[in-house]
Amino acid sequence: QQQVRQSPQSLTVWEGETAILNCSYENSAFDYFPWYQQFPGEGPALLIAIRSVSDKKEDGGFTIFFNKREKNLSLHIKDSQPGDSATYFCAASGTGGYKVVFGSGTRLLVSP
Amino acid sequence: DPKIIQKPKYLVAVTGSEKILICEQYLGHNAMYWYRQSAKKPLEFMFSYSYQKLMDNQTASSRFQPQSSKKNHLDLQITALKPDDSATYFCASSQADRGETLYFGSGTRLTVL
Repeated sequence: QQQVRQSPQSLTVWEGETAILNCSYENSAFDYFPWYQQFPGEGPALLIAIRSVSDKKEDGGFTIFFNKREKNLSLHIKDSQPGDSATYFCAASGTGGYKVVFGSGTRLLVSP
Repeated sequence: DPKIIQKPKYLVAVTGSEKILICEQYLGHNAMYWYRQSAKKPLEFMFSYSYQKLMDNQTASSRFQPQSSKKNHLDLQITALKPDDSATYFCASSQADRGETLYFGSGTRLTVL
């Protein structure tokens, strides 16, 4: 059972464009949604996160848009740079557990 | 300096053997985790520990046994290795007991021949 789904699996954008990565979830108990960025050969690192009480979170050029009713969220990467090329994971966690569930990831390539 | 140390970085083992993956964290966190990443199942949750106690176990096989000798250590013993165990194993830690923000090590890439 895939509790967190991501799309697309891979995405290519030109430098300067906005990349949009999508995520949806099934479990209504999830209330915290972090996005992690992973470069080859490294572990994932927290990029930005949102709680379900908010519908938008911005940090630098990264913005999360959250729709609780539809159980989906998206990560917008504004003015994408080649250095943003990485795999991005949407994740979710909720009360009562010690488990963060990850989506399958979106591999982003920013072409110069 | 890396705050979560995983050793070794690369590991090659033969089918049927046993290996131990080492993880130490120096972030002062009280919760630690193991995740596995492969082409088939990216970032699959395995175990979570809080204050050296097992909190959640999503690994069906008893061949995987976490070992916590100290609060900041969580090793992973894998017995009777199979080629399907080939993956990168990530250790992570968190401050809050709910495991909200995870901090990952750089992983141990295990290849079972």
